Amino acid sequence: AQSVTQLGSHVSVSEGALVLLRCNYSSSVPPYLFWYVQYPNQGLQLLLKYTTGATLVKGINGFEAEFKKSETSFHLTKPSAHMSDAAEYFCAVSEEKSSGDKLTFGTGTRLAVRP
Amino acid sequence: NAGVTQTPKFRILKIGQSMTLQCAQDMNHNYMYWYRQDPGMGLKLIYYSVGAGITDKGEVPNGYNVSRSTTEDFPLRLELAAPSQTSVYFCASSQGQIRRNEQFFGPGTRLTVL
Repeated sequence: AQSVTQLGSHVSVSEGALVLLRCNYSSSVPPYLFWYVQYPNQGLQLLLKYTTGATLVKGINGFEAEFKKSETSFHLTKPSAHMSDAAEYFCAVSEEKSSGDKLTFGTGTRLAVRP
Repeated sequence: NAGVTQTPKFRILKIGQSMTLQCAQDMNHNYMYWYRQDPGMGLKLIYYSVGAGITDKGEVPNGYNVSRSTTEDFPLRLELAAPSQTSVYFCASSQGQIRRNEQFFGPGTRLTVL
């Protein structure tokens, strides 16, 4: 069975500082990995995803994530935080199944950006 | 395109009441999904559909029913509301399987059962 662990339910950074949100996964087969962002009172929006190929994945809004199979990790980073990055971030894993992909989400990390 | 729309935005139900959460998408997507999001938790899949007339259970289907008579609509039915169903419900759609196609989410319906 697949699962996702997000370390740190709340992360606070200063504007301009590095953002690092941690995600570790468990999967019995090669996983597909996703990061979603949720702004207040909105639905989720896809930031980036890893399926196959290059392990460093670039997404929207300057975010990127690196798939590290040996560490079963898919941490999300951004070199310089902006006030508009304040939101909740969810890591998710999916396994390929004949009945269709199903996403398993982590519990989320709320990012606060201090001026 | 309006994308994925959900109605209502908010609803308060009494225990034992029933209601239908509406979801529609205008992107001609084949796949549609219903999730619930409880405080401090990630989203959990309730039901999903890979096309009109085809539905299947997700991780937490008990207490819910769905139908998919058209490509555009995917309503979620609560027959006997219980306090445990207090949650925020998200509908989503994708053209095909998630690993190859982006999943688009609606704005959510916040449901309280008292």
